[in-house]
Amino acid sequence: ELKVEQNPLFLSMQEGKNYTIYCNYSTTSDRLYWYRQDPGKSLESLFVLLSNGAVKQEGRLMASLDTKARLSTLHITAAVHDLSATYFCAVEKNNNAGNMLTFGGGTRLMVKP
Amino acid sequence: DAGITQSPRHKVTETGTPVTLRCHQTENHRYMYWYRQDPGHGLRLIHYSYGVKDTDKGEVSDGYSVSRSKTEDFLLTLESATSSQTSVYFCASRTRVGGELFFGEGSRLTVL
Repeated sequence: ELKVEQNPLFLSMQEGKNYTIYCNYSTTSDRLYWYRQDPGKSLESLFVLLSNGAVKQEGRLMASLDTKARLSTLHITAAVHDLSATYFCAVEKNNNAGNMLTFGGGTRLMVKP
Repeated sequence: DAGITQSPRHKVTETGTPVTLRCHQTENHRYMYWYRQDPGHGLRLIHYSYGVKDTDKGEVSDGYSVSRSKTEDFLLTLESATSSQTSVYFCASRTRVGGELFFGEGSRLTVL
């Protein structure tokens, strides 16, 4: 059974600081996704990571994937208040049908002025 | 944004009553999914569909059934709602495996 764990679960940080969210998963996977969710809203896709060593960046967010370590990171550079949200990673494994995405428990990020 | 709508968006019902949530997408996506979101658990997959009339169970399927008679509609049914099924339900769809997954706005269900 595929397990996906994120840490930390909650992160309070000051504007301008850097930090990293970690996503560990228990078995080999085919793809890894990062999503953002604002309170009371739906999920918004941030990144799709397809292979070992993949790195993607958008603004102050950078995601990377190490399939050998079964680890993905979401790095936040010079945080701003607008980045306050809950971030989820999700791991996909092929099953020759619809494939299932297994989500981590989420990291709630609060950026304070 | 992908055209995925869920209905109803909010529902309060009583234990033992049947409930059906509807997901409608206008993107001709082949794959559709139902998740529930609860505090501390992230999103957990209930059922998914990989084509019309092709469905399979997810990790928390007990107490739920689904149907997909048309590409655009994926229905989630709680035959006899229980308080443990109080949750926010999200539908998602995509055109291919490995592709971006688009989510609906969510349906908040309260079972009293």
